[in-house]
Amino acid sequence: EVQLVESGGGLVQPGGSLGLSCIVSGVGFSNYWMSWVRQAPGKGLEWVASIKEDGSEKYYVDSLKGRFTISRDNGNNSLHLQVNSLRAEDTAMYYCARLVGYVAFDMWGQGTMVTVSS
Amino acid sequence: SFKLTQPPSVSLSPGQTASISCSGDKLGDKYVCWYQQKPGQSPVLVIFQDDQRPSGIPDRFSGSNSGNTATLTISGTRAMDEADYYCQAWDGSTVVFGGGTKLTVL
Repeated sequence: EVQLVESGGGLVQPGGSLGLSCIVSGVGFSNYWMSWVRQAPGKGLEWVASIKEDGSEKYYVDSLKGRFTISRDNGNNSLHLQVNSLRAEDTAMYYCARLVGYVAFDMWGQGTMVTVSS
Repeated sequence: SFKLTQPPSVSLSPGQTASISCSGDKLGDKYVCWYQQKPGQSPVLVIFQDDQRPSGIPDRFSGSNSGNTATLTISGTRAMDEADYYCQAWDGSTVVFGGGTKLTVL
């Protein structure tokens, strides 16, 4: 059974940084694109970034380019998101999700909460 | 930038058929997915590639996509189907979600 478990969220001051991680158990991590999707409290889903199976291609939502960096370690079945220069509007639950087929997220983690506040 | 528009809310009685729309420019040329999200839970994929159901999703969930509109249909709606539903498409280099529709089963 595939499981995705995020970690690294917390309370951070504006301008601060965090490193989010997602550990994927089960076989086949290196065979899938992976992504981060976030959801602000009471709001809808927002795609953040995606990374190819081997890490050679990365895509970001335009509004976050330059502040967020997605990466992966296939040897450790892990996905990462480095988030810098955090703003109040970055406050959200950050989900790790597996991307399949014609761009569908078929597996999701439980999320890790990032709160940006002074 | 590409946008997907959903109605904020849909309400109906148990047993009725729910239709949730998702509109976007030439959406029928793209593949659309649908997710169900219940309070406090992570999203669950219920439809992919316009009309395909993942394993474990009841056959009362169906999807279609043509022209500028994709539709999620839930036949014989049950109380357990009450949730937020999001459509999603790929715009070549970006993933786009609709704003979500709150389905209330009265």
